[in-house]
Amino acid sequence: DAGVIQSPRHEVTEMGQEVTLRCKPISGHDYLFWYRQTMMRGLELLIYFNNNVPIDDSGMPEDRFSAKMPNASFSTLKIQPSEPRDSAVYFCATKMGTGNTEAFFGQGTRLTVV
Amino acid sequence: QQQVKQSPQSLIVQKGGISIINCAYENTAFDYFPWYQQFPGKGPALLIAIRPDVSEKKEGRFTISFNKSAKQFSLHIMDSQPGDSATYFCAASWPGAGGGADGLTFGKGTHLIIQP
Repeated sequence: DAGVIQSPRHEVTEMGQEVTLRCKPISGHDYLFWYRQTMMRGLELLIYFNNNVPIDDSGMPEDRFSAKMPNASFSTLKIQPSEPRDSAVYFCATKMGTGNTEAFFGQGTRLTVV
Repeated sequence: QQQVKQSPQSLIVQKGGISIINCAYENTAFDYFPWYQQFPGKGPALLIAIRPDVSEKKEGRFTISFNKSAKQFSLHIMDSQPGDSATYFCAASWPGAGGGADGLTFGKGTHLIIQP
């Protein structure tokens, strides 16, 4: 398996534009997580899905952020409209089963909003 | 509320020395404590993990020590090598059983540099 695949790796956009980040989970993994990493706040959990259903979105910072998982092979994180303070590295991670199982991270999308 | 506190923020160790990173947690419901290693431009990768029913776990040069009563756990890297230079994150989670807590709560990270 190629691991968790995120695209794009880098995204530069202007303030006010819509941004869509994509994630392809490892086949068979039933949990998918979106994290955001910044110098100030570290790694923060934004939202996670179990069997394509959103379970906890309490980490989503604002209504400008939304995430979907239309099927077991694909998830998106959308920011509309984007703001400079959204600049960060966004990671998707997946795992199999609940509890003490390893979460595998993608390589991340570095988002810069100018 | 920062539920997992990690220290130090940065650490410089000589090659061959012992690197020690500490974490403290607040939520007694946590029952899984992994350490992740992250290299520049890469996503975090699991290094080693422990459950609270044991006080120590060792894998090669990496050891987790766990103190349940103090709500603290630490990572020890023995015989530290330049290739160990990376950012290390402690984390914690508890099984949600549908209750919504399967995600990891991370410490702020420790930037470790091993000098040759």
